[in-house]
Amino acid sequence: DTVLTQSPALAVSPGERVTISCRASESVSTGMHWYQQKPGQQPKLLIYGASNLESGVPARFSGSGSGTDFTLTIDPVEADDTATYFCQQSWNDPFTFGSGTKLEIK
Amino acid sequence: QVKLQQSGAELVKPGASVKLSCKTSGYTFSTSYMSWFKQIPGQSIEWIGMIYAGDGGTGYNQKFKGKATLTVDTSSSTAYMDLSSLTTEDSAVYFCARPHWEGYFDYWGQGVMVTVSS
Repeated sequence: DTVLTQSPALAVSPGERVTISCRASESVSTGMHWYQQKPGQQPKLLIYGASNLESGVPARFSGSGSGTDFTLTIDPVEADDTATYFCQQSWNDPFTFGSGTKLEIK
Repeated sequence: QVKLQQSGAELVKPGASVKLSCKTSGYTFSTSYMSWFKQIPGQSIEWIGMIYAGDGGTGYNQKFKGKATLTVDTSSSTAYMDLSSLTTEDSAVYFCARPHWEGYFDYWGQGVMVTVSS
């Protein structure tokens, strides 16, 4: 299975720029997607196809990368962005998710 | 608007089975796919499998073959997942979600907690 590795946690102040990384154990082309999950809620799609912003998601969120290295950027960060962010690949079977990056807003 | 409404929390005994439901509205269920996921609280998300409502065709993550069985009822636009021979390792939140053909999931159910305990 394709393993997706994310840093476990980040802490930033409101107004700052934050990048969350996701590294795949093998190429996933641009089949990488990003989700935000708040405690007790379902995941919410933010970015699909590595760099496409889902409808209704603020333009503060952006994604980049291809192959094995991907980033989710939030600029500027707001207090409401406190959540865990997961990457997910759809290029290889089975679909797999990263371990999640917990973002704390100081 | 698209909605996926899952059934309520379940408390089941080890060795038993449970059937979870995911009732959909706001889109054409009968020509769509549905996926299911497992998430132990505080941990990552695992993809269990996918079903095509048009013909009931399924695809499973090898890890969940024999554990999960996916079915649909197109008359009620509802997807189901049977989990069998439950152990404490099956205690988790289970989500349904609608897949896009590019492999991402744009609409999710609210999740259902399954607790396996004697």
